[in-house]
Amino acid sequence: QQQVKQSPQSLIVQKGGISIINCAYENTAFDYFPWYQQFPGKGPALLIAIRPDVSEKKEGRFTISFNKSAKQFSLHIMDSQPGDSATYFCAAVSGNQFYFGTGTSLTVIP
Amino acid sequence: NAGVMQNPRHLVRRRGQEARLRCSPMKGHSHVYWYRQLPEEGLKFMVYLQKENIIDESGMPKERFSAEFPKEGPSILRIQQVVRGDSAAYFCASSPLWTSGKTSSYNEQFFGPGTRLTVL
Repeated sequence: QQQVKQSPQSLIVQKGGISIINCAYENTAFDYFPWYQQFPGKGPALLIAIRPDVSEKKEGRFTISFNKSAKQFSLHIMDSQPGDSATYFCAAVSGNQFYFGTGTSLTVIP
Repeated sequence: NAGVMQNPRHLVRRRGQEARLRCSPMKGHSHVYWYRQLPEEGLKFMVYLQKENIIDESGMPKERFSAEFPKEGPSILRIQQVVRGDSAAYFCASSPLWTSGKTSSYNEQFFGPGTRLTVL
């Protein structure tokens, strides 16, 4: 079954707006939650990651919010730009096992 | 320091032929993972290998698919007697030796550019 549920499947945001992508998991053994960004024709690249001992991590315009009790985490992209248009994958990790969400296709309209 | 390399980038095969996908991990990385990405779908784990060992192949179809990571050379994902449903992007990722401890109990993966397999 899908270990990590990701939503929405697609997202359209105006330039300057906030993009929010959500993920949920069940397995409490997961201890690392990365987000990957993938441009068409390219492999996924690590964007930002969080460990469950913190509730938020911010890097530039990208923020991960983590809710351990609800087993949910989300990616917020502030001041979204057309160059942010890509597919975003969340993942949950335990040891060497990575479980990816199904991806969110983000389009930022100029 | 070159990243993860995959070749070929694009591969076209007719039904029934064999497909061989190659992955050269980043220098110093001893773990390789293979994923399949179907159109409009996420990354599906296939197999996890270390040098000369298959660690986890729980995501690999039982028939026609095999993978290896020899002591020398790239990791190979082999698909025998390809069918149209095998058409997908196949990504390889590599990671360094996993170390657990107080500050780190995860193993970051670095992805290659993928091989896009088309079966006619």
